[in-house]
Amino acid sequence: GAVVSQHPSRVICKSGTSVKIECRSLDFQATTMFWYRQFPKQSLMLMATSNEGSKATYEQGVEKDKFLINHASLTLSTLTVTSAHPEDSSFYICSARGFPQGGEQYFGPGTRLTVT
Amino acid sequence: GQQLNQSPQSMFIQEGEDVSMNCTSSSIFNTWLWYKQDPGEGPVLLIALYKAGELTSNGRLTAQFGITRKDSFLNISASIPSDVGIYFCAGRHPDDKIIFGKGTRLHILP
Repeated sequence: GAVVSQHPSRVICKSGTSVKIECRSLDFQATTMFWYRQFPKQSLMLMATSNEGSKATYEQGVEKDKFLINHASLTLSTLTVTSAHPEDSSFYICSARGFPQGGEQYFGPGTRLTVT
Repeated sequence: GQQLNQSPQSMFIQEGEDVSMNCTSSSIFNTWLWYKQDPGEGPVLLIALYKAGELTSNGRLTAQFGITRKDSFLNISASIPSDVGIYFCAGRHPDDKIIFGKGTRLHILP
């Protein structure tokens, strides 16, 4: 139980284009989903928190117009990196929290984004 | 943003040795969590601790929630090659936000 998937696992895009990353909870309903960013050899930094059907809450310093988050259902959240630049290259990881999995965050396998 | 003080940053040990790592914070947490991350993967929850003083085991892993609610440790007994990876502590604030430590990188020498 508590399986979270992400798609794609890797994506390479050209500077200026937009990329969408999907996060799905496969065997539970995710009342809350989280998006993190992780640079090489660094810890996870929370970007935003989204509750199903509500607007996402962004952490300080994260541009909401650049990182568009949609949480339209209890099993799917999407992160769209708009007008991507090389500095947006990173490992993006989502997590989901809900019931009946005890309320803890379970993480997806991550998406490696490379902007050329 | 705020981060926990996790130590050591990295460890090089022989297979079969016991491992100990810890996290400290200036803030009180309601919950302490320990995750393991393999290269190119997302973190996997190992142990969750909910009460001050709580000691919980998961196989060869044992973790404790410090009495002051500002620290936690994780022990791994009789390490094996598949224990290699990055271990993150995480603390959950009363506002439900989770803060991660910087990680402990465990290496096992051949």
